[in-house]
Amino acid sequence: EPEVTQTPSHQVTQMGQEVILRCVPISNHLYFYWYRQILGQKVEFLVSFYNNEISEKSEIFDDQFSVERPDGSNFTLKIRSTKLEDSAMYFCASRRYQLSTDTQYFGPGTRLTVL
Amino acid sequence: ILNVEQSPQSLHVQEGDSTNFTCSFPSSNFYALHWYRWETAKSPEALFVMTLNGDEKKKGRISATLNTKEGYSYLYIKGSQPEDSATYLCASTMDSSYKLIFGSGTRLLVRP
Repeated sequence: EPEVTQTPSHQVTQMGQEVILRCVPISNHLYFYWYRQILGQKVEFLVSFYNNEISEKSEIFDDQFSVERPDGSNFTLKIRSTKLEDSAMYFCASRRYQLSTDTQYFGPGTRLTVL
Repeated sequence: ILNVEQSPQSLHVQEGDSTNFTCSFPSSNFYALHWYRWETAKSPEALFVMTLNGDEKKKGRISATLNTKEGYSYLYIKGSQPEDSATYLCASTMDSSYKLIFGSGTRLLVRP
């Protein structure tokens, strides 16, 4: 069964460094999302992406964040200058259709630790 | 403020017990309610997507109901097994972006 994959599973970085989190969505899906969960908090929406552009972004998704679909299969989240408060589990999700009944499929997440 | 709440926060049951959890969500601007099952280090697994008031869905021993007028959904597990131990997340979509707004989850532990 097709699945969303994410790499790496765990990333440790120093504050101020750039990180790129990678996702491979399900191949025939058209809508892509990033979410994150800070330890002890709810999973929260960061950004949605369709047709090579951002559809919507949350207040969290400031100028330090960017997303890209560089080659038609990967979907990346870049954090330019990481802060301690960026430490979280980052989830990628994808869906095929833009219908209320359609499921969002999630990857296993990347745990980002900023020291 | 769009808030999705789940209760209880955690639940310990014996193997064979039946159990249920609650998800409450704003009833205005409702599009869909999603249930996920999430085991540590794995992808959250989609269980159900429900959109219509009175909807009932079933997958094996797990079922869910939806009341969009009062803004709640119940998830039921019949005859819990140790492999049902996981965190159960609900999420609502409330606009045409279909972004998910999550509750805090219910952590279920089923003791053999």
